[in-house]
Amino acid sequence: DAGVTQSPTHLIKTRGQQVTLRCSPISGHKSVSWYQQVLGQGPQFIFQYYEKEERGRGNFPDRFSARQFPNYSSELNVNALLLGDSALYLCASSLVGLGSGGPEAFFGQGTRLTVV
Amino acid sequence: DQQVKQNSPSLSVQEGRISILNCDYTNSMFDYFLWYKKYPAEGPTFLISISSIKDKNEDGRFTVFLNKSAKHLSLHIVPSQPGDSAVYFCAASAGNAGNMLTFGGGTRLMVKP
Repeated sequence: DAGVTQSPTHLIKTRGQQVTLRCSPISGHKSVSWYQQVLGQGPQFIFQYYEKEERGRGNFPDRFSARQFPNYSSELNVNALLLGDSALYLCASSLVGLGSGGPEAFFGQGTRLTVV
Repeated sequence: DQQVKQNSPSLSVQEGRISILNCDYTNSMFDYFLWYKKYPAEGPTFLISISSIKDKNEDGRFTVFLNKSAKHLSLHIVPSQPGDSAVYFCAASAGNAGNMLTFGGGTRLMVKP
């Protein structure tokens, strides 16, 4: 079975531009979460979606938005890019949503975003 | 404020010996804890987890210990192998937050042959 897949793997954008990152979860997983990992730090939670509804949002500005599609894939959008948005963006999928069993989340390889 | 902390940024261990990675947390609502391993240019890989109703969980060479009163958990790797060299992240979740994970800053483990 394919794991979590993210696209693109790398991209370079200019300040002020907009970017869309994509994620396909593991087959059968209905929950997708997005994380930002800045160099030298642990991943920071951005969004969680379950059954196409936003179930959680981290401390990120409104420039960050996401959605989940009927096939459970997801997109993360970032508008008005800043230099500080340069990071590895990770998508994670899990079988279940809120409060059921263990929240083992399985991560994709990430999208490395560089803002210049 | 960091709710999950890994105070050792790096750890060096000889092959065959035990590696002990530590993690502290402050949020008493956390009830599920996970360890992930990360190689460069890859996403984090799930290693082992533990629920707050347990104090120990084993999976092969990996054992996680949880001390709720001290709000401390540790990952033991025995015996350590060179392929274990990676960055290890501790993560925590509160039951009502689904799989929203709060991560520590990571510990880089180097296992020397």
